[in-house]
Amino acid sequence: EPEVTQTPSHQVTQMGQEVILRCVPISNHLYFYWYRQILGQKVEFLVSFYNNEISEKSEIFDDQFSVERPDGSNFTLKIRSTKLEDSAMYFCASSEALRAFFGQGTRLTVV
Amino acid sequence: AQTVTQSQPEMSVQEAETVTLSCTYDTSESDYYLFWYKQPPSRQMILVIRQEAYKQQNATENRFSVNFQKAAKSFSLKISDSQLGDAAMYFCAYRSATSGTYKYIFGTGTRLKVLA
Repeated sequence: EPEVTQTPSHQVTQMGQEVILRCVPISNHLYFYWYRQILGQKVEFLVSFYNNEISEKSEIFDDQFSVERPDGSNFTLKIRSTKLEDSAMYFCASSEALRAFFGQGTRLTVV
Repeated sequence: AQTVTQSQPEMSVQEAETVTLSCTYDTSESDYYLFWYKQPPSRQMILVIRQEAYKQQNATENRFSVNFQKAAKSFSLKISDSQLGDAAMYFCAYRSATSGTYKYIFGTGTRLKVLA
């Protein structure tokens, strides 16, 4: 079965530092997403990306966050100045029309 | 805005028995998709089953089946012949089919424990 790959699996960063979370979506998919999950709780939508631009973003996705497809295949989430409350599991997903495939996540710990 | 509610934070089932996980949702749309995702301890979410709202027939995938009640906005998951490998968090999710939004909206999840 096709897979979405995320790197790194775990990142520890100091408060105020920039982090980039990387994702390789499934190659023929058109829709991409970032979600986060704090302490194994609710899965929260951050942003969706379609046709090389953001199609929707949540209130969480403020100016500290940005997404890119730098080379047409990878899909990155950048947090410019991390806060303690950004500590969470971040999931990338890609989707064909009726099914989203999720990566294994990046655990971000902000200290 | 659409919402998804899972009222059971945790459920337990004896191995080989049947368990039903509840999910309700709120939407004003008539066309949408509903999903159950499983998140085992490895943490990657895996699709269990999908239901298109326009289909009256309940979806079935091997030991997994749903009871889709569109008027009641209810979408429960039944797991038959439960196995130890079914232990996981289960998330119910909603996605619009018509509004131009592609995001999946998740409930808070139900942790399923399977007892040997």
